[in-house]
Amino acid sequence: AQSVTQLDSQVPVFEEAPVELRCNYSSSVSVYLFWYVQYPNQGLQLLLKYLSGSTLVKGINGFEAEFNKSQTSFHLRKPSVHISDTAEYFCAVFPSGGSYIPTFGRGTSLIVHP
Amino acid sequence: DGGITQSPKYLFRKEGQNVTLSCEQNLNHDAMYWYRQDPGQGLRLIYYSQIVNDFQKGDIAEGYSVSREKKESFPLTVTSAQKNPTAFYLCASSGRQGEQYFGPGTRLTVT
Repeated sequence: AQSVTQLDSQVPVFEEAPVELRCNYSSSVSVYLFWYVQYPNQGLQLLLKYLSGSTLVKGINGFEAEFNKSQTSFHLRKPSVHISDTAEYFCAVFPSGGSYIPTFGRGTSLIVHP
Repeated sequence: DGGITQSPKYLFRKEGQNVTLSCEQNLNHDAMYWYRQDPGQGLRLIYYSQIVNDFQKGDIAEGYSVSREKKESFPLTVTSAQKNPTAFYLCASSGRQGEQYFGPGTRLTVT
């Protein structure tokens, strides 16, 4: 079984400031890791993913995330946020073999203030 | 364009009526999913299907039913047995590495 914990339900930040959205996971099997973004009244879209290899992965819209196996974390970062980054962000894991069931965190609401 | 389509975007029904939400994909994915989203609760898995003519219950399947007669289609029926059906419903498909592709969602309101 897997679980995903997003440590902050809401993160307020000023425009052009850096931001980090935290995600910790637990799993008894190897997993792939994902971050998704959801704008109001829309479906989720993929920001970035970690499958293997380099632990620092870059995604769309200037976001990046670092996989830390020892801390079982996959935190999302952006060095300078824009108003348009205001959205809900979801961390997710997917077992790399067997079950096709993903597990999502509860989401972090990023609120960018001018 | 490849992707997931859901229809309709908004749906209104009276209590006691069954309603079917449509989900179609042209990504040639084997796996498809239905999620329910309520404010502050993230995504909860209702049903999933790994292959045509096979589907499995998720965490909150009670009051819902699905079918998977074609690879491209995975409709969800919200039955009158669902105690609190008003929610935002999301359909998704995925390839073997688990990257989920989501539809735009259907907002169902039952009064």
